[in-house]
Amino acid sequence: NAGVTQTPKFRILKIGQSMTLQCTQDMNHNYMYWYRQDPGMGLKLIYYSVGAGITDKGEVPNGYNVSRSTTEDFPLRLELAAPSQTSVYFCASSEGETQYFGPGTRLLVL
Amino acid sequence: DAKTTQPPSMDCAEGRAANLPCNHSTISGNEYVYWYRQIHSQGPQYIIHGLKNNETNEMASLIITEDRKSSTLILPHATLRDTAVYYCIVRVLGGATSYDKVIFGPGTSLSVIP
Repeated sequence: NAGVTQTPKFRILKIGQSMTLQCTQDMNHNYMYWYRQDPGMGLKLIYYSVGAGITDKGEVPNGYNVSRSTTEDFPLRLELAAPSQTSVYFCASSEGETQYFGPGTRLLVL
Repeated sequence: DAKTTQPPSMDCAEGRAANLPCNHSTISGNEYVYWYRQIHSQGPQYIIHGLKNNETNEMASLIITEDRKSSTLILPHATLRDTAVYYCIVRVLGGATSYDKVIFGPGTSLSVIP
C-alpha cells in the first residue's frame, strides 16, 4: 500500500490564482481530512469527509472547497489564493483508531 | 480549540528516557488520549493511544493517571531520530453518528541531545 499520497509537493501561486491539491489513499478508509499547518503551529482542520459524497467544514474552511466523489480521492480547491493561505497542507485518512497522514504540500502564495 | 496543554519544549539526553507530560483536565469519559509526533517537514505519525489503562507498544509507553486528567508519553531510550514535535490529543472514536475528528494543539518540541 502506498498509504496517503499528495501532489504536488510544492507550489508557488500568485494572488488570485486557483489550484487543486490532490490527495489519494489506497487503504479504503471512509474518513478523510485536510489540515493546514502554519510555521511553528499545530495542525488546523480545514474540511473532512466521512465517506464518498459527504463533506463538512472543520475549524478553518474559509477560502477552500472540497469534494469526495470516490472513497480514494479527496481534493482540496483554492479558488482565489491569498497570502494568508501560505502554509503546509496535510491530507489524512482513517478508519477507526488511527489517522494516517500524507507527506504534505507546501504552498507559497505571493 | 485543543483540549490539551503541553510544555512547548523539552530536552532529553540520548539513551535516556524521555517523559512528555500532557494535561487534559476536561477529558470526557468516552475520549481517548492519543499521541502523534511530527518529524521536521513530514506528516504526523501515530505513536500510541489509550483510554484508562497504561499502554505499551514498540515505540513508547503511555501512562494515564487514575482520574484521567493527565498522561505521560515515555520514550524509554531516546535516540536522535526521536527529535520531533509530539502532540497529545483527546478524541472520541467514530460511531454511528459521530466522526473521527482530531484537533492538534502546538505540541511539545522534543530535542534529543547527543
